[in-house]
Amino acid sequence: GQQLNQSPQSMFIQEGEDVSMNCTSSSIFNTWLWYKQEPGEGPVLLIALYKAGELTSNGRLTAQFGITRKDSFLNISASIPSDVGIYFCAGVTSGTYKYIFGTGTRLKVLA
Amino acid sequence: NAGVTQTPKFQVLKTGQSMTLQCAQDMNHNSMYWYRQDPGMGLRLIYYSASEGTTDKGEVPNGYNVSRLNKREFSLRLESAAPSQTSVYFCASSVGLGGQYGYTFGSGTRLTVV
Repeated sequence: GQQLNQSPQSMFIQEGEDVSMNCTSSSIFNTWLWYKQEPGEGPVLLIALYKAGELTSNGRLTAQFGITRKDSFLNISASIPSDVGIYFCAGVTSGTYKYIFGTGTRLKVLA
Repeated sequence: NAGVTQTPKFQVLKTGQSMTLQCAQDMNHNSMYWYRQDPGMGLRLIYYSASEGTTDKGEVPNGYNVSRLNKREFSLRLESAAPSQTSVYFCASSVGLGGQYGYTFGSGTRLTVV
């Protein structure tokens, strides 16, 4: 099935550093969402984006809906150890149930 | 507020055995979903229920059946488990079909078929 490509696949960073990751698709989406999954848990919604060009923040996290509607970006500022986890993007086409997940970016933060 | 509750959290089955994974949500959501998560494969949709009384196949439905028992509960049944069904299973719910306001996921069932 279709999946969104996320990059990088994994990152090791020092505490306090900023993080950037992105998600790209060959298809256009009407909604982009970002989730975080911690070990042993289900994904938790971080940010939802509904309009091309939209920039939305949630604390130290900022996400953007790409202008082409085929990509989205997530930035984490001043990383802390609890940011560890897998970050998934998801794209939704309105009018369908199709919720396409990205392949995930695994983040590890070194104290 | 419990959100989405899945039981059991862990299960080991022998090939050919059957079992039912249970899922319940207390958010009055209309739509519910079953996903499986495998290394390198991401999250894949098995079945979904747009609303009480309806169910439909997702991307990987073979070997599974579902029941939307009422608005709160959506169960996943493996009739004859196979090693290829070893995976982590997640139930999720959303206000409406398509989850444009986001899904709420349960904490998962880790299933091993030997």
